[in-house]
Amino acid sequence: EAAVTQSPRNKVAVTGGKVTLSCNQTNNHNNMYWYRQDTGHGLRLIHYSYGAGSTEKGDIPDGYKASRPSQENFSLILELATPSQTSVYFCASGDPNYAEQFFGPGTRLTVL
Amino acid sequence: QQKVQQSPESLTVSEGAMASLNCTFSDGTSNNFRWYRQHSAKGLEVLVSIFSDGEKEEGRFTAHLNRANLHVSLHIREPQPSDSAVYLCAVSMSSGGSNYKLTFGKGTLLTVTP
Repeated sequence: EAAVTQSPRNKVAVTGGKVTLSCNQTNNHNNMYWYRQDTGHGLRLIHYSYGAGSTEKGDIPDGYKASRPSQENFSLILELATPSQTSVYFCASGDPNYAEQFFGPGTRLTVL
Repeated sequence: QQKVQQSPESLTVSEGAMASLNCTFSDGTSNNFRWYRQHSAKGLEVLVSIFSDGEKEEGRFTAHLNRANLHVSLHIREPQPSDSAVYLCAVSMSSGGSNYKLTFGKGTLLTVTP
């Protein structure tokens, strides 16, 4: 049974629109992460969280917000989507005492 | 800022031949190293984790770490066509507390031919 799930799996949005990507984990991990994956860049960290109510900026946070309302859920929010945000987005959860992260299946976002 | 580079960008091997992938990193204080596999349009699957110099084996996958040379490698014994995927190297540092941040390489695309 999948421990990290993401929704939607595919999304087409219009420039200037608001997009919310959702992530749910059943690992009971304190830490959660959002990455984007682009050809030529690998995975890059956008935002992460240490627990409910906490969000921290990663390496490329501009244009993104994050929300962690509970231990299980972590959302990535694009208030004004741009074509440059077209990418595959991965969510992960991890135990703070151990660096391993467990990844969801990814969300493919296309901004037209 | 940590830089992680993988080589080669792509590799084709025959089924049953050894496949060797390389990863170099820039920060010698790094102490957590992982290899992930990513099949097309799928999530990441951790293959092997290594934390000290030497060798770590997980089934057909063996990681070698040499921190003095800033190098970690992955060797796949008897690769099969189902091993065709992108292989990602991830490096992190334990900073105490709960801030583990992984830095990924861009990946090596492995193709295993029958």
